[in-house]
Amino acid sequence: IAGITQAPTSQILAAGRRMTLRCTQDMRHNAMYWYRQDLGLGLRLIHYSNTAGTTGKGEVPDGYSVSRANTDDFPLTLASAVPSQTSVYFCASSDSLAGGPGANVLTFGAGSRLTVL
Amino acid sequence: RKEVEQDPGPFNVPEGATVAFNCTYSNSASQSFFWYRQDCRKEPKLLMSVYSSGNEDGRFTAQLNRASQYISLLIRDSKLSDSATYLCVVAGTGGFKTIFGAGTRLFVKA
Repeated sequence: IAGITQAPTSQILAAGRRMTLRCTQDMRHNAMYWYRQDLGLGLRLIHYSNTAGTTGKGEVPDGYSVSRANTDDFPLTLASAVPSQTSVYFCASSDSLAGGPGANVLTFGAGSRLTVL
Repeated sequence: RKEVEQDPGPFNVPEGATVAFNCTYSNSASQSFFWYRQDCRKEPKLLMSVYSSGNEDGRFTAQLNRASQYISLLIRDSKLSDSATYLCVVAGTGGFKTIFGAGTRLFVKA
């Protein structure tokens, strides 16, 4: 089934540890995104990538890094986790090169629930 | 002021009721508008796009008023399965400028 796969589904992590959240899509979408979702704040963009080899900062990039070595994979790394990074993380993709409003339609993965203690 | 604002609710309605959600956005250059649905502990999923002429999909009707920078979603004949959080989404050029509202929670009760 085409879509986005995220791993792990959930993780409890000690503060100061390094963590990488994995995201893989099989839709050949050019653009990929990482969001975090916190109660009352909605979805906030962390980083994005318009094409393989390029990345950009979103609204809340501090403490996170990403890479886009190929079209399908877009891992998110927390170099040294802090409790404020406890959240649900969603990876998404879009075919942003498509014409019309469909270019902005995002398809989401099932999310990764991260708890930093 | 938030770029996309929604009434957080919750809206508690009986089955069969009609319920309307509103959303305002601040960037007049916004180009695309959507409603997403998010079930508890699940990912957001596209419900419908919103066009200036208004559009309908079964029991759901979406309206856009560019002059007032206002988007609405009307749900008729509410079902128990409509219980979810509804996210108003506004996008500019390219998906990375997509802004999500914090969502409006709907509970439909028997």
